[in-house]
Amino acid sequence: AQKVTQAQTEISVVEKEDVTLDCVYETRDTTYYLFWYKQPPSGELVFLIRRNSFDEQNEISGRYSWNFQKSTSSFNFTITASQVVDSAVYFCALRIPSDNYGGSQGNLIFGKGTKLSVKP
Amino acid sequence: EAGVAQSPRYKIIEKRQSVAFWCNPISGHATLYWYQQILGQGPKLLIQFQNNGVVDDSQLPKDRFSAERLKGVDSTLKIQPAKLEDSAVYLCASSYPRKGGSYEQYFGPGTRLTVT
Repeated sequence: AQKVTQAQTEISVVEKEDVTLDCVYETRDTTYYLFWYKQPPSGELVFLIRRNSFDEQNEISGRYSWNFQKSTSSFNFTITASQVVDSAVYFCALRIPSDNYGGSQGNLIFGKGTKLSVKP
Repeated sequence: EAGVAQSPRYKIIEKRQSVAFWCNPISGHATLYWYQQILGQGPKLLIQFQNNGVVDDSQLPKDRFSAERLKGVDSTLKIQPAKLEDSAVYLCASSYPRKGGSYEQYFGPGTRLTVT
């Protein structure tokens, strides 16, 4: 069975602090995709990044960076110099690819999310 | 490019009443998803359409929930009759299908349902 665990329910930091959001996943498949989504108070889920299981290179995008380690089944997300606008709920998700276009095995399995509050 | 549209944004009903939600996906996206997000949890897939056919509805409570996508574009999700535990945000998402799982799903703003 596939599962995503985000152990941190809530994190509170002061602006300009760095913060890391943890994500641990479980799957027996060798091919899979990992995602991070941001859900601001408005409610809409915003796509941040996708990573496939064969690409363990870390990625940096501005103040955001992602650390993918297959050895520990983790896909952690770090925000550097956090800002108030980063306040949101962040979800990690797993997808096992399907054999068909948009097949039933292609669904996203979400963690429970981590609520990040950045205070000025 | 217009995003995924949903309406209404908010709905309050009494238990045992019926309610319907509407979703218009991004133009050209053949795959459409309905998710249920209960407060404090991640979204959970209810049903997935490929064009106007159902691909996966294994987690849809079929005794009270129904969904359709008649012309392969817009979709409606209905609950009849509603229960208190149906209080949640209902998210619609769409994607452009590519082989494998590399495609992103784009989400709408959701409909927040409160059942009293």
